Amino acid sequence: EAVLTQSPGTLSLSPGERATLSCRASQSVSTNYLAWYQQKAGQAPRLLIYATSSRATGIPDRFSGSGSGTDFTLTITRLEPEDFAVYYCQQYGGSPLYTFGQGTKLEIK
Amino acid sequence: QVQLQESGPGLVKPSETLSLTCAVSSGSISSGHWWSWVRQPPGTGLEWIGEIVHSGSTTYNPSLKSRVTMSIDKSKNQFSLNLASVTAADTAVYYCARNGYFSADYWGQGTLVTVSS
Repeated sequence: EAVLTQSPGTLSLSPGERATLSCRASQSVSTNYLAWYQQKAGQAPRLLIYATSSRATGIPDRFSGSGSGTDFTLTITRLEPEDFAVYYCQQYGGSPLYTFGQGTKLEIK
Repeated sequence: QVQLQESGPGLVKPSETLSLTCAVSSGSISSGHWWSWVRQPPGTGLEWIGEIVHSGSTTYNPSLKSRVTMSIDKSKNQFSLNLASVTAADTAVYYCARNGYFSADYWGQGTLVTVSS
């Protein structure tokens, strides 16, 4: 089974700071197949990034994704109050077809 | 933009079958996209259940495959999930979603299903 491990589990930062979230895969993932989501309490996940670095419709450019192979990163520059949420990475193509990381909680320091 | 809305019972008894429907609006279920179900147990992460396309072809999560059936109704622009022999471990918020580029680009708001007698 394809496994995604996210770190850190919780990240405490202040508005205006830069956030760097990590996602490590148990086996190599095509850059086409790695996505990131944001989930706020009581809401459905929202697609932020697909194909490692492409922003979804309406996503501000302070969100960016990078990486290759087994190591991927979501970076949020200049945190806004509405950015504090849980973030999940997701891969396609393993078994099961879609798998998610366990999430990183970004909280206000 | 595409909108998805889940519906179904919020309470299911153990050993019974969980049945949910996802209605798609502002878009056609025959568009060529695949359509997924994803669940999230309380306080935990996301688990992909499976996907279906307008032809009726499906792909399921191997961990749930023996209990899952998905179907599609093009006349009603909706798709459905049946999960048999449920236990308390199946208690979760169930989301339907549209698959975009190897990811889920539109999601329903989710519906909480509790398994309890």
